[in-house]
Amino acid sequence: SQTIHQWPATLVQPVGSPLSLECTVEGTSNPNLYWYRQAAGRGLQLLFYSVGIGQISSEVPQNLSASRPQDRQFILSSKKLLLSDSGFYLCAWSVTRGSGYTFGSGTRLTVV
Amino acid sequence: RKEVEQDPGPFNVPEGATVAFNCTYSNSASQSFFWYRQDCRKEPKLLMSVYSSGNEDGRFTAQLNRASQYISLLIRDSKLSDSATYLCVVVSNDYKLSFGAGTTVTVRA
Repeated sequence: SQTIHQWPATLVQPVGSPLSLECTVEGTSNPNLYWYRQAAGRGLQLLFYSVGIGQISSEVPQNLSASRPQDRQFILSSKKLLLSDSGFYLCAWSVTRGSGYTFGSGTRLTVV
Repeated sequence: RKEVEQDPGPFNVPEGATVAFNCTYSNSASQSFFWYRQDCRKEPKLLMSVYSSGNEDGRFTAQLNRASQYISLLIRDSKLSDSATYLCVVVSNDYKLSFGAGTTVTVRA
């Protein structure tokens, strides 16, 4: 069966520090991968999606970036965090674009 | 206008009651629809897809009204464990998923 792993679960980082969140999927090949952010009391905002290795599409301009160095690995990064980067970050995968997603357990990031 | 809108609630209902709520969407070309459930401080989990003819999964019934551009979720015989936030998801014809901000349901004993 397919599983998705995301870490760390919680993170407290100072403003201006770098960020690296990792997500891996097991049990499937060539998944579509996504990074979402959920701010308190708001809907999920799509940040990046990837349909294959090295293929990244950005949905919103920001100081975050994403990379997909391997088929089942998706990384979210920042060189310098802002206070506004605080939120609940969720990685997800799907078999095809537009199909139902499976989410990772999320990373709750607080920038202080 | 937001792409997907939901009544945030909360809907406070007693155990055994029926609760229903809607989600409206703005893109008439939207092609598929889902309901997700999200527990406090947890990731969303797929509850059910929404089919054009309507569909049931146990105590949950989902309906789609394309003419009025909304989907609905009905929960019968509510359980305490149904307390959660329910997210509406709409997929556009270019495969973009849009999430509603969620409707909170609280079932009380």
